[in-house]
Formats: sequence, C-alpha cells, structure tokens
Amino acid sequence: AQSVTQLDSHVSVSEGTPVLLRCNYSSSYSPSLFWYVQHPNKGLQLLLKYTSAATLVKGINGFEAEFKKSETSFHLTKPSAHMSDAAEYFCVVSEGRNTGFQKLVFGTGTRLLVSP
Amino acid sequence: NAGVTQTPKFRILKIGQSMTLQCTQDMNHNYMYWYRQDPGMGLKLIYYSVGAGITDKGEVPNGYNVSRSTTEDFPLRLELAAPSQTSVYFCATCRGTVGTEAFFGQGTRLTVV
Repeated sequence: AQSVTQLDSHVSVSEGTPVLLRCNYSSSYSPSLFWYVQHPNKGLQLLLKYTSAATLVKGINGFEAEFKKSETSFHLTKPSAHMSDAAEYFCVVSEGRNTGFQKLVFGTGTRLLVSP
Repeated sequence: NAGVTQTPKFRILKIGQSMTLQCTQDMNHNYMYWYRQDPGMGLKLIYYSVGAGITDKGEVPNGYNVSRSTTEDFPLRLELAAPSQTSVYFCATCRGTVGTEAFFGQGTRLTVV
C-alpha cells in the first residue's frame, strides 16, 4: 500500500519569508502525488499535482513542488509567504494503478502559520 | 456550476440517533467518495462509488452506509450515532483515472453528544 508522511504538523513563518512543507512518500511504483490546501472551515482545493511528467511542478498562488525519486520526497515550497497562505496543507498519494480506479491516501496535514 | 454540494453544514446528534449526510455533484463524474477528517489524522476514506449502483468500503466503513442510485447523489447514512463519529465529513468526486484532480464539498461538521 502507498503512504505519505508529512514531517511537520506545524510550520511557522514570517510574511515575506520562504515556505517549506515536507512530504515523503512510499510507493512500489511511480506515484501520482498531490498537494491540497484547506483554509479554515472550507473544503480542500488542489494546489498542484505530479503525474510523471516534469519533476518540478508549479501550482497556484506561487507554490511549487519537486518530485525527487531518490529521496522519495515531494516537498512544497513558496519563495515568499503571504498572510493568506495560512491554512492546512495535505500531501496526497494516489492509489489505483492496478485497478485503474483512483483512491487518494492523505498525509496527516501540516498547519502553516504566517505572522506579520 | 455548483460543483460538489453537501448538506447540512453543521449538525448535532444525540447518541443512537440516525441521519443522512447529503452529497450532490453536477460535474458528471462517475467516481464519488466520502471521507472523514479528524484532527491530526488527515482524511480517511469511508466509502466510495465508481458509478450508479456500485459502492464499496474504504478504510473506516463501520457505522456507516451508502447508496448510489444516480450519478449525481451519494448520501452517507449514520444509523446509530456514536461519539466516535464526531468528525468533519467531506464528499468528493473525480473522473476516476489515477492522477486526476478530486473536487471536494465544503464539509459537514457533525457532533454526537
């Protein structure tokens, strides 16, 4: 079974400083990976996804992530944090390559706090 | 397009009561899912459906039931509410192919007292 581990439950940054949210995955084959964001009392929104094309993936709101097979990592970064980035972020791996049907496996989430 | 609509947004249930969480989508997706979200645990899959008339259990199905009579609707039923079912519930849809984006509803916050 595939899984993801988010290494930090909370990350605190100051506005204007870089953001790094860490994610490691476990998979027996080349995975599909996603980052989703959840703002308070809202549903989840897709930030970006990796599906075996370019290893550096650009998403919405200036976020990007790099797929590193040798490190089994898919860390999320942003050069400069904005107050509106404060939210919970989920790293997600997609299962289902054998069945052709997608099931998403979620990490436990990282809460990003941005201070002025 | 409304996307994925969940009702109600909030509900308080007494132990032993039953209720149905509604989920409707207008995206014409065959695949629908129910997840529950507990603090620090991420989202866990309760049930999923690959099309009308077809449902299957996810990781944490105990205490829940689902049905899928149409492409649009995927209700989640709690028969005998227990405090352990206090959670936030999300419905989601996708086209189903591995690597495709899932679209989520706004969630239902359920408290069982």
